[in-house]
Amino acid sequence: GAGVSQSPSNKVTEKGKDVELRCDPISGHTALYWYRQRLGQGLEFLIYFQGNSAPDKSGLPSDRFSAERTGESVSTLTIQRTQQEDSAVYLCASSLDGSGGYSYEQYFGPGTRLTVT
Amino acid sequence: AQKVTQAQTEISVVEKEDVTLDCVYETRDTTYYLFWYKQPPSGELVFLIRRNSFDEQNEISGRYSWNFQKSTSSFNFTITASQVVDSAVYFCALKINRDDKIIFGKGTRLHILP
Repeated sequence: GAGVSQSPSNKVTEKGKDVELRCDPISGHTALYWYRQRLGQGLEFLIYFQGNSAPDKSGLPSDRFSAERTGESVSTLTIQRTQQEDSAVYLCASSLDGSGGYSYEQYFGPGTRLTVT
Repeated sequence: AQKVTQAQTEISVVEKEDVTLDCVYETRDTTYYLFWYKQPPSGELVFLIRRNSFDEQNEISGRYSWNFQKSTSSFNFTITASQVVDSAVYFCALKINRDDKIIFGKGTRLHILP
C-alpha cells in the first residue's frame, strides 16, 4: 500500500515568510509525528498526534512553529516568520495506535527539505 | 531522562567485512522499546527492528543481527559480510512506554568501500 507522503519535497523561502508543510500518513495509522533533521544531525522530535487526543507539542522549538491534524489523516506543519536556522529536512512519520502499552514502529515519509535564504 | 548514545559518528569498512554499530541507552523505566532505522543516501528512514525491554533474545535477519543486553544498556547492531548497499546512516532509538516521543541517537554514518 501507499506509504507516508510529504509535500513539497523541496521548499526554498525567504527569511520572514511563512511556510506550510504537508504530511499524508498511512491509512489507518492513528499516530503521527513530526521531526526536524538538520544537516548531518539526528532527528529532533517536534510534535505528536494520537487520534483525537491533545497533541504533544513539547518538542516545538518556538511559538513560530505550529501543527494541525485533521482527524486521523492529513497534518500540516506551519512555520511562521521563517529564520535561517529553520533550514532542515522536516520528516513526518505515522504508526498504528500505540495505546494499550504497545509501541509500533514508525514509518517515515521522504521529508521536505526547507531552505531559508 | 531518556538518552540514546551512538558513540561512533562515522565508520568505514571494506566490503565483505563485518561491522558492529554501537548503541547505548539510558532510561529508568522498566518498560521501553528500542529501534534501529536505516537512512540511505535517498534520505527516507527505513525501519529495521523493534525490541521491547522484556525480550532479550538476540535476533538475526539475513546479514543483520542485533545484540540486546540490559545489563549494559546496549542494543548493538552487526552487519555480516557488508555490502556497498549497506552504506547509510543508522539510527538507534528509544521509546518508553508512558511517553509518546521516540528519542533518537545522533546516528552512525557507515561507509562500505568496494
